Amino acid sequence: QSALTQPASVSGSPGQSITISCTGTSSDIVIYNFVSWYQQHPGIAPKLIIYEVTNRPSGVSNRFSGSKSGNTASLTISGLQAEDEGDYYCSSTTSANTHVFGTGTKVTVL
Amino acid sequence: EVQLVESGGGLVQPGGSLRLSCAASGFTFNPYWMTWVRQAPGKGLEWVATIKGDGSESYYADSVKGRFTISRDNAKNSVFLQMHSLRGDDTGLYYCARHAVWKFDLWGQGTPVTVSS
Repeated sequence: QSALTQPASVSGSPGQSITISCTGTSSDIVIYNFVSWYQQHPGIAPKLIIYEVTNRPSGVSNRFSGSKSGNTASLTISGLQAEDEGDYYCSSTTSANTHVFGTGTKVTVL
Repeated sequence: EVQLVESGGGLVQPGGSLRLSCAASGFTFNPYWMTWVRQAPGKGLEWVATIKGDGSESYYADSVKGRFTISRDNAKNSVFLQMHSLRGDDTGLYYCARHAVWKFDLWGQGTPVTVSS
């Protein structure tokens, strides 16, 4: 149950697009389309922003989009805004009927 | 209001036990699987345990297997985490989350657990 690998930090200027990668293995991301992404602001519980690789829950901005290729899932934030600053975590189910989160990425808006 | 409210956290000595509770409201509880996720201070999220809607199956992270037990009482719309043999690396904020087809779409505010002498 090793954590999925994410970059520690990603930054961008307002209006730009950034992409956060999430690298897994043949036991998780490769074989399952149950990849989710969560946004967490300081002192607040995580919030689901992407599920099943590409789907957005109701109420989540369409500036957030997800994709997957092989063992890597990605979250793209377009039109970066100050409110997008925070920590982002990917997650996936695994072949052992368990679940694993990514190491987390801190997004900074310059 | 649709919400999850955790309780039961606190300070416990190494080797001790603690039982966390999570009360659900505002939605039909029993079809949903439920999950506990923890976050050590300044660290990332860690999946801890999941239980099926009818309580018939449960799954655990290797780091807690044999020490923690997840259970639920559908009549009381509640899920629990019984923790034994607690260690320093169990310290953190414990979140209860609604688990809908391997996505966690509703989270509580968390309850803090500190393991220290």
